[in-house]
Order: sequence, then structure tokens, then C-alpha cells
Amino acid sequence: ETGVTQTPRHLVMGMTNKKSLKCEQHLGHNAMYWYKQSAKKPLELMFVYSLEERVENNSVPSRFSPECPNSSHLFLHLHTLQPEDSALYLCASSQAKRGDEQYFGPGTRLTVT
Amino acid sequence: GENVEQHPSTLSVQEGDSAVIKCTYSDSASNYFPWYKQELGKGPQLIIDIRSNVGEKKDQRIAVTLNKTAKHFSLHITETQPEDSAVYFCAATYSGGGADGLTFGKGTHLIIQP
Repeated sequence: ETGVTQTPRHLVMGMTNKKSLKCEQHLGHNAMYWYKQSAKKPLELMFVYSLEERVENNSVPSRFSPECPNSSHLFLHLHTLQPEDSALYLCASSQAKRGDEQYFGPGTRLTVT
Repeated sequence: GENVEQHPSTLSVQEGDSAVIKCTYSDSASNYFPWYKQELGKGPQLIIDIRSNVGEKKDQRIAVTLNKTAKHFSLHITETQPEDSAVYFCAATYSGGGADGLTFGKGTHLIIQP
């Protein structure tokens, strides 16, 4: 595997379910990001982790809970979501020291019913 | 915080012609401006970027220009080909040497007409 991978690629969940999105990067990076991509809206930054510590949380509702157990893995835990949370969730990684050149995974298409 | 405006939202050009997409940003501290291409069913792919210490950068058929005074930057694609059809996003951030989230424009759907 190379680059940034995300699983699952598609997820349908009810509002009372609990699920997790997984991201793994194989680039030797030490910063990871979660973005949300909704129709007709710009990509929105949700969380930033640098060296496994959360450095940014962009006023994201508590029903989204990130976890970064090591520099290669990033999770987004979901619980009691709303239909408006349906979107493409994208993971990205970069070198924390340079703070740029972010590389994205293919995304998880989430549908909340 | 940073705000990025991108125009046009849709651009249709004849194969072989040039395409130009423009973005403006609000935060004068921003110093890193990447461009991403997103094809259907895929994540955004970095195609070119520019930093505030240069005014222009070129990579084969793709070029980016930056005007710091006016706070705008543009993507130029020459000799367009069918595989250039995709959604293009501009972004901006202050790259301070740490992990910095990007602020994106809303995207431009580029259509190459055969």
C-alpha cells in the first residue's frame, strides 16, 4: 500500500449507530488531518494532529471524536450523527515540520439515514 | 481567519485551448498556495503549489501566478486535454513550520469539450 488509505470507502449508518472511520498513511509523515467535503461547500478542516497531539479543532460537534494512536493512523469515531453530517470525509497527511504539501486519501462517503 | 474565493464555479473550454481559474484570499499572512485536482470518486490530488516568495511557477502545461499585493493567485492550464476534466480547488494557509490546516475555495468544475 502506498500513499494515504481510508476505510471504509462507503458507510451508511442510522442516527443512533456508532461507527469509526480509519485512515492510514504510508508516507512517513507526522501530521494528519480530517476534512469534511459537502456538496456546494468548500472542504472544511475538522481536526489537525501533529506528532500524535491534537493541535486544532475547528468547532466540530462532539458527536465527532478523533483519535491518533500513532503517526501512521488516524480515526474518526462517530456517534448519534444527524442527516446533515452526510458528506465525504477526507483524511490527509503531511510533514509537520514543513506544514504543507498535504496528501489526501480517497475519502469515506458517509450517509446518515 | 482566512477566506478563499474561487471563480468561476464552472468552466468549459475546447480541447487544446487554455483554461484559467482565479482565487483571492483575505489573510495577508498566508504564504502557501496549493492547487488540487479532484476526479470523480477520488480524493484531491496536489498538482502544483506556490509560496509567497515567488510570483510564478510552471510545471509542463500547468502554471500558477501569485500577486501578493492584490492577494490573488491563478491556475493556468495550456493545451487542455480530455483528462484535464475534473474539479480544481485552490487553497491557502500560513505555513509556519508546523501542521497547518488549509482553507479551500469552493472549487471549479473544468469541462474539456472534444
